[in-house]
Amino acid sequence: AQSVTQLDSQVPVFEEAPVELRCNYSSSVSVYLFWYVQYPNQGLQLLLKYLSGSTLVKGINGFEAEFNKSQTSFHLRKPSVHISDTAEYFCAVRWVGGGSYIPTFGRGTSLIVHP
Amino acid sequence: AAGVIQSPRHLIKEKRETATLKCYPIPRHDTVYWYQQGPGQDPQFLISFYEKMQSDKGSIPDRFSAQQFSDYHSELNMSSLELGDSALYFCASSLGVGGGSGYNEQFFGPGTRLTVL
Repeated sequence: AQSVTQLDSQVPVFEEAPVELRCNYSSSVSVYLFWYVQYPNQGLQLLLKYLSGSTLVKGINGFEAEFNKSQTSFHLRKPSVHISDTAEYFCAVRWVGGGSYIPTFGRGTSLIVHP
Repeated sequence: AAGVIQSPRHLIKEKRETATLKCYPIPRHDTVYWYQQGPGQDPQFLISFYEKMQSDKGSIPDRFSAQQFSDYHSELNMSSLELGDSALYFCASSLGVGGGSGYNEQFFGPGTRLTVL
């Protein structure tokens, strides 16, 4: 079965420091890739997505992610985090052409930004 | 802009009771998805509906059922509740299903937190 791995369950970082949240997936066939953010007691909000084209994708709130097909990765980065970025971040992958259009989610990474 | 509405936001039930969760999609959206997110877990897809017909099925227990009504809202019915059903239940909606190589963004509601005692 296809799988999505978020290697870090928790990432603590100081405010204004850079951060990278890692995401790897199991197969290199055609994929659509997503990052979602979940603030406490709220639903999932789409941060950014890769469908095709440039492998560097820019999203909301200053986040960006890079699709690396050979490494089957889609790591999320932000050059300078803010306290308000503290949230749970989920990577999701949809394998294209496999019959299902439902994305598979990773376990999530809790980003904790300290002052 | 209007978002996905879920009700109730919080629900407490006893074991073996039943629960009904409701989801109102964004206006004009015809597709609804249900996900279950256990404590510290990733969202697990349960079931989806497109134009009032079941379009995909995930890991939904047999004790659960769902349907989509003519106004496109959806209800998730859960019977014989177990402690392990305690979770956050998300509904998402989209315009179309984005099958094949298409893509239709899913918009998520705030979730219903179900606690089974």
